[in-house]
Amino acid sequence: LAKTTQPISMDSYEGQEVNITCSHNNIATNDYITWYQQFPSQGPRFIIQGYKTKVTNEVASLFIPADRKSSTLSLPRVSLSDTAVYYCLVGDMRGSGGYQKVTFGTGTKLQVIP
Amino acid sequence: GAGVSQTPSNKVTEKGKYVELRCDPISGHTALYWYRQSLGQGPEFLIYFQGTGAADDSGLPNDRFFAVRPEGSVSTLKIQRTERGDSAVYLCASSPPGDADTQYFGPGTRLTVL
Repeated sequence: LAKTTQPISMDSYEGQEVNITCSHNNIATNDYITWYQQFPSQGPRFIIQGYKTKVTNEVASLFIPADRKSSTLSLPRVSLSDTAVYYCLVGDMRGSGGYQKVTFGTGTKLQVIP
Repeated sequence: GAGVSQTPSNKVTEKGKYVELRCDPISGHTALYWYRQSLGQGPEFLIYFQGTGAADDSGLPNDRFFAVRPEGSVSTLKIQRTERGDSAVYLCASSPPGDADTQYFGPGTRLTVL
């Protein structure tokens, strides 16, 4: 399983763009990169997933360089409600059986300041 | 539609007692996962079901922990002879067939062992 490294915490003012980078130096060929968001007293919620280059949805963008050894979650114009813990996961969830045990790590605690 | 539900939301027990935690996955989801989350940490994988069978139980910490999913829907996590170190939030997640990429999490059960 590829290990991931993220900053423990980040602060940002409302309305700013926030970029959270995750390092995964030993990512495998079949591994995808997935980001989850977790609010206090709730289970994690899927945000975005990608394999390479750039993926964008209504919530965030995910930038993955060519070597795939890192990825950056970009949250545009954050609001106070984006205060949460963000987890970067790496794993092959599309292999045979469609499953691989994934490791969440400690995540990045984002605090949005008014 | 209804999400993943878990009962009870909170459980307080005494050291040495037996507890059962229940998970109702999203209807039609074939994959079901149990995680344990301690304060300040990310979710830690415990066990994965595909249908009725436990496809991967390598995350269960010891033989005091056991989980079942007899009809391929509801799952119960059972903990025998509880210890204070078992205190944590126990999260359940499910995935639909053909979409193992995304796990839908329940709100969790907060277990406190006194």
